[in-house]
Amino acid sequence: GAVVSQHPSRVICKSGTSVKIECRSLDFQATTMFWYRQFPKQSLMLMATSNEGSKATYEQGVEKDKFLINHASLTLSTLTVTSAHPEDSSFYICSARDLGQGATGELFFGEGSRLTVL
Amino acid sequence: AQSVTQPDIHITVSEGASLELRCNYSYGATPYLFWYVQSPGQGLQLLLKYFSGDTLVQGIKGFEAEFKRSQSSFNLRKPSVHWSDAAEYFCAVAPSGNTPLVFGKGTRLSVIA
Repeated sequence: GAVVSQHPSRVICKSGTSVKIECRSLDFQATTMFWYRQFPKQSLMLMATSNEGSKATYEQGVEKDKFLINHASLTLSTLTVTSAHPEDSSFYICSARDLGQGATGELFFGEGSRLTVL
Repeated sequence: AQSVTQPDIHITVSEGASLELRCNYSYGATPYLFWYVQSPGQGLQLLLKYFSGDTLVQGIKGFEAEFKRSQSSFNLRKPSVHWSDAAEYFCAVAPSGNTPLVFGKGTRLSVIA
């Protein structure tokens, strides 16, 4: 089946630095990718919809300037957490929709990236 | 806006016992319905999904779910739980195939000997 890969799986950074997380669709093309955030022991909250070749669509309350999303190709979307602070520590998960199954609604999820900001 | 309710935050069952995890959704039409499982520190794995057709859906790992339109429910079941089933389970809905999923808050399953 389709595979979505995230990198890095874990990252620890100092407060004030920026961190980039990559989401790749390995065997299919994805015009749309979704970025979710999950706090400990909580559910997944949609942060933004990443669209290939255009600007991302952010959910209400998500800071566009803090969470920069770039979807430069049909197989790669990146999330950059800029000037990270401890409250940005979380589990970030991306998902991608296979064009070949565009009408089914099935999303394939990456393994997640755990960010810890010291 | 659509919403998903998983009434049970935490369920504990004995190994070999049956399991039912509840999920109710709020949406005008029949949405796309999903169940995912997440082990600690891991990503999500799709257990099963319902789009249309037979309301009883079979998934992986021996799980099944039944869509009941009259109750706006999509409960997950397993006849005999294994210790390896201990994880967090999320129910999710999407209005169509081109929209992101909305997740319930999850139900944590513990399995005891």
